[in-house]
Amino acid sequence: DAKTTQPTSMDCAEGRAANLPCNHSTISGNEYVYWYRQIHSQGPQYIIHGLKNNETNEMASLIITEDRKSSTLILPHATLRDTAVYYCIVRVSRGDLGDDKIIFGKGTRLHILP
Amino acid sequence: DAGVTQSPTHLIKTRGQQVTLRCSPKSGHDTVSWYQQALGQGPQFIFQYYEEEERQRGNFPDRFSGHQFPNYSSELNVNALLLGDSALYLCASSFRVRETQYFGPGTRLLVL
Repeated sequence: DAKTTQPTSMDCAEGRAANLPCNHSTISGNEYVYWYRQIHSQGPQYIIHGLKNNETNEMASLIITEDRKSSTLILPHATLRDTAVYYCIVRVSRGDLGDDKIIFGKGTRLHILP
Repeated sequence: DAGVTQSPTHLIKTRGQQVTLRCSPKSGHDTVSWYQQALGQGPQFIFQYYEEEERQRGNFPDRFSGHQFPNYSSELNVNALLLGDSALYLCASSFRVRETQYFGPGTRLLVL
């Protein structure tokens, strides 16, 4: 089973920030939080990942709580092209001997409204 | 710089047949993972190949097998196809195991 829980769906107005929450209360100290999105049955697209600190790249920002039990993906200025299913995933960090298979849940279906 | 490529894009087979799907990893990547995505579900991990060996496997029967070639490309084979094997099959590549995986566009398989 997936180690994360996400809302089934969310709406966001075009041009506004989209904030997608994810709970991962059983996350271990060596597990990263990864975000992918999938647009209409295309292959999942990597967005961002982090371990403890907040991260930002050209696509999004990732905010991880201090206890690491939850995180939020932020798309700063959502466009219609951001309409997709967003998956939050936890996986072990490199160098560990633990399991590495990515386990996807059902994700959050984000609708950007014009 | 080409990303992950998969072939064919679409495929129709009948029950009992065998199918081979192909994946070329992103340039510089040496690890390939395969996933099955049924309609309306998230992708499910099938197996991962590194150094031409199957390193990890998900909960899939032996009808699902794979291979990795010296150039790091990979094949997924499914024998004795069932109607339930109809899905989008995704390939993901990474540099080494446990690094960020990048996905290809997928092969949509329909079993009639």
